[in-house]
Amino acid sequence: QVQLVQSGAEVKKPGASVKVSCKASGYTFSRYGMHWVRQAPGQRLEWMGWINGGNGITKYSQKFQGRVTLTWDTSASTAYMDLSSLRSEDTAVYYCARVPLGQLGHFDFWGQGTLVTVSS
Amino acid sequence: QSVLTQPPSASGTPGQRVTISCSGSSSNIGSNYVYWYQQVPGAAPKVLVYRNNQRPSGVPDRFSGSKSGTSASLAISGLRSEDEADYYCATWDDSVSGPHVIFGGGTKLTVL
Repeated sequence: QVQLVQSGAEVKKPGASVKVSCKASGYTFSRYGMHWVRQAPGQRLEWMGWINGGNGITKYSQKFQGRVTLTWDTSASTAYMDLSSLRSEDTAVYYCARVPLGQLGHFDFWGQGTLVTVSS
Repeated sequence: QSVLTQPPSASGTPGQRVTISCSGSSSNIGSNYVYWYQQVPGAAPKVLVYRNNQRPSGVPDRFSGSKSGTSASLAISGLRSEDEADYYCATWDDSVSGPHVIFGGGTKLTVL
């Protein structure tokens, strides 16, 4: 069965970087995209970007362009989200979510979420 | 960036039918599919409706989606206590910076 298992909670200081992992199993990665969505406390879901499992091409939300990097390690079947220059407003739960290629917006499986807290 | 507008709250009694709206524009809902997600506190969202009105296997037919023009709706019939959750609409927006996914602000459904 499809599983997306994310790394554990992180506490970071302002200005630091965080790298969240998402280990995928139970499906063929090349047929799907892996998206990253975050949710600040009490806020709406916010799309950050995605990596195409078929060709490795990445697309980022304009809001995070320059601060976020998405990668995929084929040997480990793991996707990574790297967010730099952290500020307090980046405190949120970060989710990875699978999307069938060609169905942008259809998040059919989600990771359990990773809480990232940015505090001095 | 564009946003989708939902009512912040909705409520109903068990057995009732409730509808949650989602308003957008021609560059998002008006030209792309709409998706609906249910999120219970402390859990990841779960897809309820994809491609405007399709239900994934395992989602009860009490949940139905529709779209007209630049708006979409999620209807829940035969309301049950376990339907109490936050509901989000989503689609993608064809902006000049490239297509990107956008979400509504979420609607908190209370079962009275």
